[in-house]
Amino acid sequence: DQQVKQNSPSLSVQEGRISILNCDYTNSMFDYFLWYKKYPAEGPTFLISISSIKDKNEDGRFTVFLNKSAKHLSLHIVPSQPGDSAVYFCAATPRGANNLFFGTGTRLTVIP
Amino acid sequence: GAGVSQSPRYKVAKRGQDVALRCDPISGHVSLFWYQQALGQGPEFLTYFQNEAQLDKSGLPSDRFFAERPEGSVSTLKIQRTQQEDSAVYLCASSLGGDGNEQYFGPGTRLTVT
Repeated sequence: DQQVKQNSPSLSVQEGRISILNCDYTNSMFDYFLWYKKYPAEGPTFLISISSIKDKNEDGRFTVFLNKSAKHLSLHIVPSQPGDSAVYFCAATPRGANNLFFGTGTRLTVIP
Repeated sequence: GAGVSQSPRYKVAKRGQDVALRCDPISGHVSLFWYQQALGQGPEFLTYFQNEAQLDKSGLPSDRFFAERPEGSVSTLKIQRTQQEDSAVYLCASSLGGDGNEQYFGPGTRLTVT
């Protein structure tokens, strides 16, 4: 049972435009959400996170939005750069737990 | 290096062989996690250590899987009598505190069972 879902396996965006990656979750106990970026043959790298008490967190070109009522979060990258091309994983953790629940990932390709 | 390291990076085992995968977490990190990532999937939790104590092993798929962290730093994931369905990338992650937030991942060990 996939508790974190990324329904778009891939996304292509022109350089300079906005990339929007989406993530849905089913477990209402999740209270901390993270985005990881993964290059081939490397482990996932932490990108940005958001607590359930917030609805937006921004770090440079990266912004994460959380809509708790819809159990949906999204990652916005603007402007997109070719170096952003990677697989992006959404992850979540319930209150009081330690492990992360991951989505299946979205492969972003930024076209120069 | 300052990051999480794992060895070997690649391992090919014949079905039925035992394997041992090593993880060196970031120095000083209290928490250590093991995940299994099958092809085309996201990482799935296997087990969690806080220092040397294994506090959660609910994700281990069978009793053929065993993990230890005897001195609270380096950890080993052992898989006995490997099966083809064990083929996956095994990721280790560590975090500074006792919670699971902002885990830092190693490059993984790709295990292929033939």
